[in-house]
Amino acid sequence: GQNIDQPTEMTATEGAIVQINCTYQTSGFNGLFWYQQHAGEAPTFLSYNVLDGLEEKGRFSSFLSRSKGYSYLLLKELQMKDSASYLCADMDSNYQLIWGAGTKLIIKP
Amino acid sequence: DAGITQSPRHKVTETGTPVTLRCHQTENHRYMYWYRQDPGHGLRLIHYSYGVKDTDKGEVSDGYSVSRSKTEDFLLTLESATSSQTSVYFCAISEQGYSGANVLTFGAGSRLTVL
Repeated sequence: GQNIDQPTEMTATEGAIVQINCTYQTSGFNGLFWYQQHAGEAPTFLSYNVLDGLEEKGRFSSFLSRSKGYSYLLLKELQMKDSASYLCADMDSNYQLIWGAGTKLIIKP
Repeated sequence: DAGITQSPRHKVTETGTPVTLRCHQTENHRYMYWYRQDPGHGLRLIHYSYGVKDTDKGEVSDGYSVSRSKTEDFLLTLESATSSQTSVYFCAISEQGYSGANVLTFGAGSRLTVL
């Protein structure tokens, strides 16, 4: 089966750290993606993990554990502009993306 | 900037009318996709194209057809729109397609309301 789960909404404070989790159960796996989508705008690519471990890109990091079917996106030093939805997607054995419903992140001052 | 544009950006239509959404790219990417996005759902693939005149169905293709007569244009047609097709439609492009590092670039979206 194919299923992606991520929390619907999270709230965090400006300057803090937040971790957004994603679990997947896709049969066949070719990588895990994170995209950012501001309200009313298009999704934009953040990260891609295919091997286990942590990938760091500035304030954003993404982690993958293939054995656990688990990924997280870590956002540090939160800024108001980080208020957005964060979409997790995994690539199945046919190289098609299976998308989660997204996590809406609300940043409070 | 974008290299990928969608038109129209907003459309209101009535049930039973035909609707065509256009996606135009200037990146010369081989792969093009149409997704719909609805509250509570992830992006769902409608159709995709892997070259001129080469298209295939996605998970929610019923009620939709596509055409790609030129590399730069990918059209999505609703032959007879229904209220369940009210959604935001995103076009996306990618260079690699059948590859792990298949990063998608999305258009700005087309908001369709079917009354």
